Amino acid sequence: SQQGEEDPQALSIQEGENATMNCSYKTSINNLQWYRQNSGRGLVHLILIRSNEREKHSGRLRVTLDTSKKSSSLLITASRAADTASYFCATILSGGYQKVTFGTGTKLQVIP
Amino acid sequence: GAGVSQSPRYKVAKRGQDVALRCDPISGHVSLFWYQQALGQGPEFLTYFQNEAQLDKSGLPSDRFFAERPEGSVSTLKIQRTQQEDSAVYLCASSFQRGGTGELFFGEGSRLTVL
Repeated sequence: SQQGEEDPQALSIQEGENATMNCSYKTSINNLQWYRQNSGRGLVHLILIRSNEREKHSGRLRVTLDTSKKSSSLLITASRAADTASYFCATILSGGYQKVTFGTGTKLQVIP
Repeated sequence: GAGVSQSPRYKVAKRGQDVALRCDPISGHVSLFWYQQALGQGPEFLTYFQNEAQLDKSGLPSDRFFAERPEGSVSTLKIQRTQQEDSAVYLCASSFQRGGTGELFFGEGSRLTVL
């Protein structure tokens, strides 16, 4: 079963616009990561945010984390056609060996 | 190579056949995960190895699925008596750190089609 759920399931925007994706999860986490997957390829790590962090930036990416609401958002600014991909949040559960579980994904299409 | 390598990239099996999928993680990576990804879905956890120890196999869907990593490097996912519902992409990921404390590096996946 998936720990996280992304919202929206699909998003279509014009090049240059910002894209926001949300992830909600169910149990306490150690950290949360966002990954990108181009069609037919493996997943590529984008950014990691720890449970004691609230916001993190990496280039055109901005991630927020609200542990009280068990949610995270990924913002991609000034989108490009090359950003077209599926985006997944991965929650790393507290305790044990820190199992990594993925959400259902948001399929982003950036129209040139 | 420098990345995670999976083979075969594509496998077509007749129902009832056994298949073996191989994962070569990045050298020195302690952690190795296997995931199953159905079309249009997120990766579903199958199993986790820390070095040669299989610490979690709770995601394996049935006793037809078996994974090993005998020397703490290369891993094999074996599916016996394949069924049509086993058709999916099988993804392998490795990490230098234990569990999910750090970034996972993914292979390109093995796409299994069971006829």
